[in-house]
Amino acid sequence: EDKVVQSPLSLVVHEGDTVTLNCSYEVTNFRSLLWYKQEKKAPTFLFMLTSSGIEKKSGRLSSILDKKELFSILNITATQTGDSAIYLCAVDAGNNRKLIWGLGTSLAVNP
Amino acid sequence: EAQVTQNPRYLITVTGKKLTVTCSQNMNHEYMSWYRQDPGLGLRQIYYSMNVEVTDKGDVPEGYKVSRKEKRNFPLILESPSPNQTSLYFCASGGGTGGSYEQYFGPGTRLTVT
Repeated sequence: EDKVVQSPLSLVVHEGDTVTLNCSYEVTNFRSLLWYKQEKKAPTFLFMLTSSGIEKKSGRLSSILDKKELFSILNITATQTGDSAIYLCAVDAGNNRKLIWGLGTSLAVNP
Repeated sequence: EAQVTQNPRYLITVTGKKLTVTCSQNMNHEYMSWYRQDPGLGLRQIYYSMNVEVTDKGDVPEGYKVSRKEKRNFPLILESPSPNQTSLYFCASGGGTGGSYEQYFGPGTRLTVT
């Protein structure tokens, strides 16, 4: 059965810290891995990763995929209170565009 | 502005009273999907549509219906809502053909069934 597992489930840090969120997957037909940020509303798209070893970067956020070890990490440097959110990982398993979702990592950044 | 819209945003209803949640996208996306999100269970797909008149069940389709008569609209119908359908619902759309794509989410509809 296809599955996506995120860790940790919850994380509390202080402003300025750097955090690393993990997403591991087991799917039969991998096409891509996506990261989303969800604050108190709808998930918003962050990154899509299809190739191993190529870092995607947007400001203080970056992500990389390892297709051999079947995981991805999302890094956030110099965290701010506005980074507090649930970060969701999903994998496109190529089955009618169905996304397999992880349960998310809840990040709280304290001032 | 490219967006996915849903209505209503909040709804409190009673058991058995039919309701429809509308979803519309202005990005000309072929793919649309409905999810429900519950604490501890994450996002679960209800139904999806690959194109007009093409719909299929997701992981939790029981108690729901959908239709896709036009490319931009994908309403979710609850014929006889029950309290276990109390949830946060998201509509999403995705573009492109063949390779990978990203999904864009509507603002969500918080439904309470009493």
